[in-house]
Amino acid sequence: QSVLTQPPSVSGAPGQRVTISCTGSSSNIGAGYAVHWYQQLPGTAPKLLIFGNDHRPSGVPDRFSGSKSGTSASLAISGLQAEDEADYYCQSSDTSRSDVFGTGTKVTVL
Amino acid sequence: EVQLVQSGAEMKHPGESLKISCQGSGYNFINYWIGWVRQMPGKGLDWMGIIYPGDSDTRYSPSFQGQVTISADKSISTAYLQWTSLKASDTAIYYCARRDCSGTNCNFRYWGQGTLVTVSS
Repeated sequence: QSVLTQPPSVSGAPGQRVTISCTGSSSNIGAGYAVHWYQQLPGTAPKLLIFGNDHRPSGVPDRFSGSKSGTSASLAISGLQAEDEADYYCQSSDTSRSDVFGTGTKVTVL
Repeated sequence: EVQLVQSGAEMKHPGESLKISCQGSGYNFINYWIGWVRQMPGKGLDWMGIIYPGDSDTRYSPSFQGQVTISADKSISTAYLQWTSLKASDTAIYYCARRDCSGTNCNFRYWGQGTLVTVSS
C-alpha cells in the first residue's frame, strides 16, 4: 500500500514559520486527490486541521495553511506557538479506492 | 452534535478473539463511511479499512485484508472491528472516524476517542 512521506521532525522558535512537506505519487496526490491534514496532541485522537488542500474547519486558527502542487503538499504554521507542539499527518485518497496517511511529523517548539 | 463513542480498553492473550465497537450519534449513520485507523505505540496512523453502513460495502487495506473484519449494525448505529486470533503485534490504539466525502475527496472529520487493545501473554 502506498504511503505519503513526511519529514520525521521539524522545529522552530515561538513566532517563527515552519512548513511540513507531504510527498505522494501518481496514484494518490498526483492523481488529483485532495490532501487533508491532522493534528494529534499527545494522548488524544487526531483532529482535522486542513481539508481539501487549503480549507480550515471552523475554529482552526488562520496560522495554519495548506497547499498542494503536483504530487506533493505542504502544511505551514506561521507565528508558531507552544500549543502547536504535536504530531501532524497528511492524508489523501488513492486510485485503489482507499485512503492513505502520511508517515507523520513531530513539531517541536524550541 | 456528531459523536463517535468507542468501547473500552481491552487486555487479551495471544490467540484470543476480540470485537470492538464504535457507536455514532448526531447524524444519519447509514449515509457516511466509517473508517478504522490503527496507531501502534509511538507510531503513526495506519489506514485499515472502511465500511458504508447503508449497504455494508467494505474496503480493506492490503496490509489488513484477512487479518481483521469490519462490520456494522445500522439498526444500532454501530460499527465493529474484529479479530479471530490476536497477536502481540496487534497491540495498539484503534480509532474509528467518520469519512466525509466531497466527490472523490474524502477526509476524517470526526473521530472516536480510541480503544486501546493490549495483547500479551
